[in-house]
Amino acid sequence: EVHLVESGGGLVQPGRSLRLSCTASGFTFGDYVMTWVRQAPGKGLEWVSFIRSKDYGGTTEYAASVKGRFTISRDDSKSIAYLQMNSLKTEDTAVYYCTRGLDGGDGSFDHWGQGTLVTVSS
Amino acid sequence: SYELTQPPSVSVSPGQTARITCSGDTLRDKYASWYQQRPGQSPVLVIYQDTKRPSGIPDRFSGSNSGNTATLTISGTQAMDEDDYYCQAWDSSAVVFGGGTKLTVL
Repeated sequence: EVHLVESGGGLVQPGRSLRLSCTASGFTFGDYVMTWVRQAPGKGLEWVSFIRSKDYGGTTEYAASVKGRFTISRDDSKSIAYLQMNSLKTEDTAVYYCTRGLDGGDGSFDHWGQGTLVTVSS
Repeated sequence: SYELTQPPSVSVSPGQTARITCSGDTLRDKYASWYQQRPGQSPVLVIYQDTKRPSGIPDRFSGSNSGNTATLTISGTQAMDEDDYYCQAWDSSAVVFGGGTKLTVL
């Protein structure tokens, strides 16, 4: 059974850093695009970043709102995806979801983690 | 940047058909996916590749994509379908979500 478990969220002051982890199990991690999606309180889904599989070059992309501050990475040997978040702003407050999509597939995300809450506040 | 536009809310009577639209430039040339999100829960994929249903999704959920509009159709809508729904597509190496539609069953 596929499982995605996010961790690392919490309360952090503006300007500080936080690293989120997404631990995967139940599938061949290296075959999938791993993506972070966030949802601010009472708002809709917002794509944050993705990292492609090694077969597709491990390419990374970021939403304009986080580019230059967030870095996504993956460790296929451990089946973990990371999101390093630097220079955090109050508007980064959200539940952060990890999700997977089959690389080279149709672009949908068929499994999601339960999410981890990041609160940026002084 | 690419945008997907959804109506903020749609209302339907129990047992009737609900249609939720998602509009975007040349959307017909992309694959559209749809997600259902219950309050306090993670999104669930209900339609992928415009028209396909993942296993476990009831057959009252269907999708279409033509012109610049993708549509999620829920036939015989039930009270349990009262949730938020999001469309999603890819554009130029970016993932795009619609703003979401709150479906009310009344």
